[in-house]
Amino acid sequence: AQSVTQPDIHITVSEGASLELRCNYSYGATPYLFWYVQSPGQGLQLLLKYFSGDTLVQGIKGFEAEFKRSQSSFNLRKPSVHWSDAAEYFCAVGALYSSASKIIFGSGTRLSIRP
Amino acid sequence: GAVVSQHPSRVICKSGTSVKIECRSLDFQATTMFWYRQFPKQSLMLMATSNEGSKATYEQGVEKDKFLINHASLTLSTLTVTSAHPEDSSFYICSAVRTVNSNQPQHFGDGTRLSIL
Repeated sequence: AQSVTQPDIHITVSEGASLELRCNYSYGATPYLFWYVQSPGQGLQLLLKYFSGDTLVQGIKGFEAEFKRSQSSFNLRKPSVHWSDAAEYFCAVGALYSSASKIIFGSGTRLSIRP
Repeated sequence: GAVVSQHPSRVICKSGTSVKIECRSLDFQATTMFWYRQFPKQSLMLMATSNEGSKATYEQGVEKDKFLINHASLTLSTLTVTSAHPEDSSFYICSAVRTVNSNQPQHFGDGTRLSIL
């Protein structure tokens, strides 16, 4: 079955601290992986995506993610968080080379920043 | 680039009213648009996939007569919630993809908060 698991529902980190948000996926085809961020009452903004090449991908706002095929993981990291990073983060997986372009979202991780 | 506009951002209406939500790709042509529903503190649930010039494909459990989708052009898809009831209150988000088979990501609108009284 295709699924995306974000094991952490809510994480609180101090401003300036490092961050890692976990994402594990189960997908039968070659995965196409994404991280999106959602501020309260807003739509989703794409942070980064991966489908081939270097397994460490850089995104916007200083975020990066590493694809580890052996662990079926695509964890999001940031070396030093800012108060403006407080939001909901969604990991998602799609089928590479699929005509449907449908993606499956994880349940999300809410990030709070401690001053 | 890749801006998706969704309108209205918020709507409050009486039970029994039909509500139309628009999703526009402002700077690219979208062969495929998606409609999602999001309940408070939950993830996005895909409702339907909308392809320009053809009938939408609905996910299991989504009533196609309740949620009418039209994708008349490469830049516009509309979702009409017919005879809305309080249980239809939710946050609806659309997304658009430039072209199919091109491994492009989905770009999301800012969502529509629908409240049915």
